[in-house]
Amino acid sequence: GAVVSQHPSRVICKSGTSVKIECRSLDFQATTMFWYRQFPKQSLMLMATSNEGSKATYEQGVEKDKFLINHASLTLSTLTVTSAHPEDSSFYICSARDGRVGSYNEQFFGPGTRLTVL
Amino acid sequence: AQSVTQPDIHITVSEGASLELRCNYSYGATPYLFWYVQSPGQGLQLLLKYFSGDTLVQGIKGFEAEFKRSQSSFNLRKPSVHWSDAAEYFCAVGASQAGTALIFGKGTTLSVSS
Repeated sequence: GAVVSQHPSRVICKSGTSVKIECRSLDFQATTMFWYRQFPKQSLMLMATSNEGSKATYEQGVEKDKFLINHASLTLSTLTVTSAHPEDSSFYICSARDGRVGSYNEQFFGPGTRLTVL
Repeated sequence: AQSVTQPDIHITVSEGASLELRCNYSYGATPYLFWYVQSPGQGLQLLLKYFSGDTLVQGIKGFEAEFKRSQSSFNLRKPSVHWSDAAEYFCAVGASQAGTALIFGKGTTLSVSS
Protein backbone atom coordinates (compact mmCIF):
# COMPACT_ATOMS: atom_id res chain seq x y z
CA GLY A 1 0.00 0.00 0.00
CA ALA A 2 0.90 3.64 -0.31
CA VAL A 3 3.15 5.00 2.39
CA VAL A 4 3.38 8.52 3.72
CA SER A 5 6.16 9.56 6.04
CA GLN A 6 6.54 12.57 8.29
CA HIS A 7 9.65 14.02 9.75
CA PRO A 8 10.32 14.68 12.51
CA SER A 9 8.01 12.47 14.54
CA ARG A 10 8.53 14.60 17.61
CA VAL A 11 9.97 18.06 18.12
CA ILE A 12 10.41 20.29 21.13
CA CYS A 13 11.31 23.91 20.55
CA LYS A 14 11.53 27.20 22.36
CA SER A 15 8.89 29.85 21.98
CA GLY A 16 9.63 32.17 19.08
CA THR A 17 11.49 29.68 16.94
CA SER A 18 10.29 28.19 13.66
CA VAL A 19 9.76 24.52 13.05
CA LYS A 20 9.55 22.73 9.71
CA ILE A 21 7.64 19.47 9.30
CA GLU A 22 8.05 17.37 6.18
CA CYS A 23 5.46 15.11 4.63
CA ARG A 24 6.56 12.70 1.92
CA SER A 25 4.71 10.21 -0.23
CA LEU A 26 7.17 7.37 -0.61
CA ASP A 27 5.80 5.25 -3.39
CA PHE A 28 3.29 7.38 -5.23
CA GLN A 29 2.86 10.86 -6.57
CA ALA A 30 0.65 13.09 -4.50
CA THR A 31 -0.88 15.93 -6.43
CA THR A 32 -2.67 17.02 -3.30
CA MET A 33 -1.63 16.87 0.33
CA PHE A 34 -3.61 17.90 3.36
CA TRP A 35 -2.45 19.16 6.73
CA TYR A 36 -4.50 18.43 9.81
CA ARG A 37 -4.11 19.42 13.42
CA GLN A 38 -5.26 17.33 16.33
CA PHE A 39 -5.57 18.53 19.89
CA PRO A 40 -5.48 15.98 22.72
CA LYS A 41 -8.57 13.80 22.86
CA GLN A 42 -10.05 15.58 19.87
CA SER A 43 -10.64 14.96 16.21
CA LEU A 44 -8.58 16.02 13.23
CA MET A 45 -9.19 19.52 12.00
CA LEU A 46 -8.20 20.41 8.47
CA MET A 47 -5.74 23.28 8.35
CA ALA A 48 -4.96 23.56 4.67
CA THR A 49 -4.96 21.85 1.31
CA SER A 50 -1.69 21.82 -0.55
CA ASN A 51 -1.51 21.36 -4.30
CA GLU A 52 1.78 20.77 -6.05
CA GLY A 53 3.08 23.89 -7.71
CA SER A 54 0.46 26.26 -6.38
CA LYS A 55 -0.40 28.13 -3.22
CA ALA A 56 -2.05 26.27 -0.41
CA THR A 57 -5.68 26.81 0.43
CA TYR A 58 -6.18 27.52 4.11
CA GLU A 59 -9.25 26.81 6.17
CA GLN A 60 -11.04 29.65 7.86
CA GLY A 61 -9.30 30.69 11.04
CA VAL A 62 -5.89 29.28 10.10
CA GLU A 63 -3.21 31.95 9.83
CA LYS A 64 -1.41 31.49 6.54
CA ASP A 65 1.51 33.63 7.66
CA LYS A 66 2.00 31.49 10.72
CA PHE A 67 1.59 28.11 9.08
CA LEU A 68 3.57 28.24 5.86
CA ILE A 69 2.94 25.39 3.47
CA ASN A 70 5.07 24.55 0.49
CA HIS A 71 4.34 21.72 -1.95
CA ALA A 72 7.42 21.89 -4.12
CA SER A 73 7.22 18.44 -5.67
CA LEU A 74 4.78 15.60 -6.20
CA THR A 75 6.22 13.75 -3.23
CA LEU A 76 6.96 16.46 -0.69
CA SER A 77 4.98 19.05 1.22
CA THR A 78 6.32 21.03 4.15
CA LEU A 79 4.56 22.83 6.97
CA THR A 80 6.55 25.51 8.75
CA VAL A 81 5.23 26.82 12.03
CA THR A 82 6.74 30.28 12.29
CA SER A 83 7.43 32.01 15.59
CA ALA A 84 5.94 29.11 17.46
CA HIS A 85 4.16 29.68 20.76
CA PRO A 86 2.95 27.22 23.39
CA GLU A 87 -0.59 27.34 21.98
CA ASP A 88 0.80 25.88 18.74
CA SER A 89 1.70 22.71 20.59
CA SER A 90 -0.28 19.96 18.95
CA PHE A 91 -0.20 16.80 16.87
CA TYR A 92 0.16 17.61 13.18
CA ILE A 93 -0.83 14.98 10.63
CA CYS A 94 -0.50 15.13 6.89
CA SER A 95 -2.25 13.06 4.29
CA ALA A 96 -1.55 12.59 0.63
CA ARG A 97 -3.96 11.86 -2.14
CA ASP A 98 -3.01 9.20 -4.59
CA GLY A 99 -3.34 10.97 -7.93
CA ARG A 100 -3.52 7.86 -10.07
CA VAL A 101 -6.63 7.29 -12.14
CA GLY A 102 -9.12 5.11 -10.35
CA SER A 103 -7.74 5.75 -6.87
CA TYR A 104 -11.09 7.13 -5.72
CA ASN A 105 -9.51 10.14 -4.09
CA GLU A 106 -8.17 7.85 -1.40
CA GLN A 107 -5.88 9.54 1.08
CA PHE A 108 -3.03 8.06 3.00
CA PHE A 109 -2.00 9.47 6.34
CA GLY A 110 1.41 10.07 7.78
CA PRO A 111 2.28 8.96 11.32
CA GLY A 112 2.04 12.49 12.68
CA THR A 113 4.41 14.97 14.30
CA ARG A 114 4.12 15.90 17.94
CA LEU A 115 5.12 19.55 18.39
CA THR A 116 5.78 20.88 21.87
CA VAL A 117 6.59 24.56 22.26
CA LEU A 118 8.13 25.53 25.58
CA ALA B 1 -23.70 21.46 6.08
CA GLN B 2 -21.35 18.55 5.71
CA SER B 3 -20.65 16.74 8.93
CA VAL B 4 -19.94 13.44 10.58
CA THR B 5 -21.48 12.50 13.91
CA GLN B 6 -20.18 9.81 16.19
CA PRO B 7 -22.75 9.81 19.00
CA ASP B 8 -20.70 7.77 21.45
CA ILE B 9 -17.71 9.52 22.96
CA HIS B 10 -16.58 6.53 24.99
CA ILE B 11 -17.56 2.87 24.90
CA THR B 12 -16.39 0.05 27.14
CA VAL B 13 -16.77 -3.51 25.93
CA SER B 14 -15.77 -6.77 27.54
CA GLU B 15 -13.12 -8.76 25.77
CA GLY B 16 -14.80 -11.28 23.49
CA ALA B 17 -18.03 -9.32 23.28
CA SER B 18 -19.36 -7.79 20.09
CA LEU B 19 -18.87 -4.15 19.19
CA GLU B 20 -20.76 -1.59 17.19
CA LEU B 21 -19.57 1.99 16.77
CA ARG B 22 -22.06 4.39 15.29
CA CYS B 23 -21.45 6.93 12.56
CA ASN B 24 -23.93 9.23 10.86
CA TYR B 25 -23.06 11.65 8.13
CA SER B 26 -24.52 14.61 6.33
CA TYR B 27 -23.04 15.10 2.89
CA GLY B 28 -24.36 16.77 -0.24
CA ALA B 29 -22.66 14.58 -2.80
CA THR B 30 -22.14 10.85 -3.10
CA PRO B 31 -20.17 10.04 0.03
CA TYR B 32 -17.03 8.03 0.26
CA LEU B 33 -16.84 6.68 3.80
CA PHE B 34 -13.93 5.60 5.93
CA TRP B 35 -13.16 4.23 9.35
CA TYR B 36 -9.74 4.89 10.90
CA VAL B 37 -8.20 3.71 14.14
CA GLN B 38 -5.63 5.66 16.14
CA SER B 39 -3.57 4.36 19.04
CA PRO B 40 -2.25 6.91 21.56
CA GLY B 41 0.43 9.12 20.05
CA GLN B 42 0.18 7.40 16.69
CA GLY B 43 -1.11 8.28 13.26
CA LEU B 44 -4.23 6.97 11.61
CA GLN B 45 -4.64 3.47 10.30
CA LEU B 46 -7.33 2.78 7.73
CA LEU B 47 -9.67 0.01 8.84
CA LEU B 48 -11.99 -0.01 5.87
CA LYS B 49 -13.59 2.16 3.25
CA TYR B 50 -16.75 2.31 1.18
CA PHE B 51 -16.79 3.79 -2.29
CA SER B 52 -19.55 1.88 -4.08
CA GLY B 53 -21.02 -1.56 -4.61
CA ASP B 54 -21.74 -3.99 -1.79
CA THR B 55 -22.90 -2.00 1.19
CA LEU B 56 -21.27 -4.38 3.66
CA VAL B 57 -17.54 -3.89 3.57
CA GLN B 58 -14.88 -5.94 5.22
CA GLY B 59 -11.77 -4.41 6.68
CA ILE B 60 -8.65 -5.36 8.51
CA LYS B 61 -8.48 -6.85 11.99
CA GLY B 62 -11.89 -8.48 11.64
CA PHE B 63 -13.85 -5.24 11.34
CA GLU B 64 -16.75 -4.66 9.01
CA ALA B 65 -19.08 -1.76 8.33
CA GLU B 66 -22.43 -1.38 6.66
CA PHE B 67 -23.44 1.58 4.55
CA LYS B 68 -27.12 2.45 4.90
CA ARG B 69 -28.01 5.29 2.61
CA SER B 70 -31.55 5.64 3.94
CA GLN B 71 -30.21 6.18 7.45
CA SER B 72 -27.09 8.11 6.41
CA SER B 73 -25.12 5.72 8.55
CA PHE B 74 -21.89 3.76 8.31
CA ASN B 75 -21.61 1.79 11.53
CA LEU B 76 -18.52 -0.21 12.38
CA ARG B 77 -18.84 -3.69 13.84
CA LYS B 78 -16.69 -6.47 15.16
CA PRO B 79 -18.08 -9.78 16.42
CA SER B 80 -15.47 -10.39 19.11
CA VAL B 81 -13.33 -7.63 20.55
CA HIS B 82 -9.73 -8.17 21.61
CA TRP B 83 -7.89 -6.16 24.24
CA SER B 84 -5.62 -4.80 21.50
CA ASP B 85 -8.63 -3.13 19.87
CA ALA B 86 -8.66 -0.47 22.59
CA ALA B 87 -8.01 2.79 20.73
CA GLU B 88 -9.67 5.86 19.24
CA TYR B 89 -11.90 5.27 16.24
CA PHE B 90 -12.72 7.94 13.68
CA CYS B 91 -15.35 7.89 10.99
CA ALA B 92 -14.72 10.15 8.00
CA VAL B 93 -16.51 11.16 4.84
CA GLY B 94 -15.11 12.52 1.62
CA ALA B 95 -15.98 13.17 -1.98
CA SER B 96 -14.85 11.61 -5.18
CA GLN B 97 -13.57 14.94 -6.43
CA ALA B 98 -9.86 15.33 -6.52
CA GLY B 99 -8.45 17.68 -3.96
CA THR B 100 -11.17 17.44 -1.36
CA ALA B 101 -10.23 16.71 2.23
CA LEU B 102 -11.93 14.29 4.54
CA ILE B 103 -14.35 15.40 7.22
CA PHE B 104 -13.85 13.57 10.47
CA GLY B 105 -16.17 12.76 13.31
CA LYS B 106 -15.07 13.59 16.85
CA GLY B 107 -14.08 10.01 17.47
CA THR B 108 -15.10 7.24 19.83
CA THR B 109 -12.76 5.94 22.48
CA LEU B 110 -12.99 2.20 22.89
CA SER B 111 -11.94 0.61 26.15
CA VAL B 112 -11.80 -3.16 26.51
CA SER B 113 -12.33 -4.73 29.90
CA SER B 114 -11.13 -8.19 30.84
